[in-house]
Amino acid sequence: DARVTQTPRHKVTEMGQEVTMRCQPILGHNTVFWYRQTMMQGLELLAYFRNRAPLDDSGMPKDRFSAEMPDATLATLKIQPSEPRDSAVYFCASGFGGGKLFFGSGTQLSVL
Amino acid sequence: LAKTTQPISMDSYEGQEVNITCSHNNIATNDYITWYQQFPSQGPRFIIQGYKTKVTNEVASLFIPADRKSSTLSLPRVSLSDTAVYYCLVGEVGGFKTIFGAGTRLFVKA
Repeated sequence: DARVTQTPRHKVTEMGQEVTMRCQPILGHNTVFWYRQTMMQGLELLAYFRNRAPLDDSGMPKDRFSAEMPDATLATLKIQPSEPRDSAVYFCASGFGGGKLFFGSGTQLSVL
Repeated sequence: LAKTTQPISMDSYEGQEVNITCSHNNIATNDYITWYQQFPSQGPRFIIQGYKTKVTNEVASLFIPADRKSSTLSLPRVSLSDTAVYYCLVGEVGGFKTIFGAGTRLFVKA
């Protein structure tokens, strides 16, 4: 079964540290999304790419978050410096657009 | 992107049919309707998508009236394992931006 793979599954870090989350989209999918989920805010769209080009990253705090796709098999989301309010589950999803997305299992981030 | 409104939560019993209705009064001509399911500690999972009338797959049915201002996800004979959050989304055919609302928390009891 093809699936979206996210690493790490869990990350605990201290405030001020850099955090990098990685995502391997399903082979052949041309669209990659990053979401953040918290109890208070629900699922928030942070950024998405089509054919590796960023289409929209308006959901990300620009001063500390960055998202890239170095190649078609890897998407990264970085937070530098991390803050306690960044604690959340971060999901990556891939697809062909049109609303049908395949999600990874998420990275549970805790910033102390 | 059209805004969607769903009930915050619903309760049901095993074996019952569950219908979750979503309102999307401002749906545009080019918009489709998609439903996702999310279990705790997992990412959302695509369930079904439709544009008008009725769509059925092995998991659920989606009913869309002629005016398309609402849609109903129907889960036949739910089991305890159907306890999850269900999201209704509206987006443009061929579009990419996929926004999730608050969803409906379905709790199935024995």
